[in-house]
Amino acid sequence: EAGVTQFPSHSVIEKGQTVTLRCDPISGHDNLYWYRRVMGKEIKFLLHFVKESKQDESGMPNNRFLAERTGGTYSTLKVQPAELEDSGVYFCASSQGFLTSGRALNEQFFGPGTRLTVL
Amino acid sequence: GESVGLHLPTLSVQEGDNSIINCAYSNSASDYFIWYKQESGKGPQFIIDIRSNMDKRQGQRVTVLLNKTVKHLSLQIAATQPGDSAVYFCAETYTGGGNKLTFGTGTQLKVEL
Repeated sequence: EAGVTQFPSHSVIEKGQTVTLRCDPISGHDNLYWYRRVMGKEIKFLLHFVKESKQDESGMPNNRFLAERTGGTYSTLKVQPAELEDSGVYFCASSQGFLTSGRALNEQFFGPGTRLTVL
Repeated sequence: GESVGLHLPTLSVQEGDNSIINCAYSNSASDYFIWYKQESGKGPQFIIDIRSNMDKRQGQRVTVLLNKTVKHLSLQIAATQPGDSAVYFCAETYTGGGNKLTFGTGTQLKVEL
């Protein structure tokens, strides 16, 4: 079974440009999460999809970030316009169920991340 | 706001020794804790978890201890091997919180031969 995949692995853009990150979750996983690690700090939650619906977007830093999950499969995270402080590693994770379902269903599987550098 | 933090940013151990990585959390509502291992170029990988109704859980060469009184979590790795070199994150969440994880800063574990 394929794991969570992310594209691209690296992206270098100029300040003010637009970048779109893609995440393909594990097939059958309804839950999809975006996280990011900025400047070597802790990994922080951005948002959570359940199928195509945004369950929680409390971690989105501002309106320059737009996440979509059309059809409830893959997800995209667009940053427009990018700023210097957006540099970091963006992780996507997916899980089958929720915490109350037991570990086997709620474990979040992480992708390798996209390293974004804004110059 | 609530956060999970790590006491030591870097830990160096000799191969074969035991490693202990510590973590403090502040959200008293957290009832599920996870340790992740992140190797270079990869995403965080699940190591072991523990629920708040337990104070100890063992896996293969790893043990997680939870002290709810002082809001402290630790990961013990027995007989540390070179392949254990990585960044270790603790994370917490709570039932009804949608499963979103709050991570600590991370500890770099370096295993010296």
